[in-house]
Parts: sequence; structure tokens; C-alpha cells
Amino acid sequence: EADIYQTPRYLVIGTGKKITLECSQTMGHDKMYWYQQDPGMELHLIHYSYGVNSTEKGDLSSESTVSRIRTEHFPLTLESARPSHTSQYLCASGHGTQGGYTFGSGTRLTVV
Amino acid sequence: GENVEQHPSTLSVQEGDSAVIKCTYSDSASNYFPWYKQELGKRPQLIIDIRSNVGEKKDQRIAVTLNKTAKHFSLHITETQPEDSAVYFCAASKGGSNYKLTFGKGTLLTVNP
Repeated sequence: EADIYQTPRYLVIGTGKKITLECSQTMGHDKMYWYQQDPGMELHLIHYSYGVNSTEKGDLSSESTVSRIRTEHFPLTLESARPSHTSQYLCASGHGTQGGYTFGSGTRLTVV
Repeated sequence: GENVEQHPSTLSVQEGDSAVIKCTYSDSASNYFPWYKQELGKRPQLIIDIRSNVGEKKDQRIAVTLNKTAKHFSLHITETQPEDSAVYFCAASKGGSNYKLTFGKGTLLTVNP
């Protein structure tokens, strides 16, 4: 089924570890986005990409980095995780010149 | 850039009542306005959207209205049910090859049985 997939769903890691959150979509969408969502509900855009080899920083400053080497894949990496990175990370994709996003199920990250 | 404000931040209604959530946007060039529903522990899902050439759109118990002059749009849920309890997000976009949605801060709707 065409969808957007995030792994892992839950992750608990120690401070200082390097982690990569995976996001893949099988819908052929050209645009992909990463959001950070805390229990306070608001969606904060941290990275986005309009196509292969295109990445931009979002509205919320983040210490994470992203890459877009393949259309379907948009991983997010934290080089050295800290407790302040504890949050839910949502990946989304979109297509064309207008329209809504499809969101993934999210990765809930806890840094201890 | 675009700024979207959403009110109220929390809303509690009795089952069967109507619920209204309002959003305002700042960029008059915005022409696409989706609404997302996020149930507890789940992903946001698109429930209805409206484009600027339409003033109202309905889908069963859900409707969205748009006032381009005033730059505001609203979500209306009639005959609310407990399963309508969720966080609702509005968003706005002006389209183009590099479009992105600007989201409101969300409204936590609780429908009491």
C-alpha cells in the first residue's frame, strides 16, 4: 500500500549517541518534510526538501541534519543526542504545486 | 512569511452539540486551506480542505467556510460524537512548485458523552 513509513516508532538512547530516524514514502511524492511535535501539540517545521539533492532548514532551529539522495527517502540524523532532543518527530510528504501532506506515524525519541 | 492563528486552543462540548474552530491567515496570496485531525498517539490526517475559489465545502458532519476578504476560515463539526475528540490543526499555503503548509497551533477538542 502506498504510504509513508517511519522507523523506529519508539527510541530510547543515551546522551551523546548518534541516531538516524528513517522516513520513506512509496507514493512518488517529490516534497518531504520533518516536523517536531512536543506534548504541547504545536507542529514545528525543522527541515524540508523539494526534491533530490534539495534540503532546507525550517522555522524551528534544529541541531539535526537531513539528506535527500533518493526521492523516496528522507532520513534525519542527530550527531550527538541530548535530553533536549526528546520529542516526537513526524515526517510528511506532498506532491505537485498544491495540496495537503500525508504524515507518517512518527518516531517518539527519548534521550536519557 | 505566512502566519496562521488558531482559536480556541481547547474546546469542550457535549455530545450532539456543534463545535467551531477558527483560523486567520496573514498572506493574502494563500489559496489552499486544509484541516487535519490528530487522535491521541496517531498521525495527523487530512479531513477536509478548501481552495480560495470556493466559499464553503461540506463532507457529512464536517464543513469548512472561507472568507477571503477577512482572511479567515473555520471548521464546523455538527452532531459531535466522542470519536471526534482529537487535536485539530488548520493550515494555509499559497501553492507553487516549492509550496509548504503553515500550520496553526492546534485545538484540543473534547466531546463529553
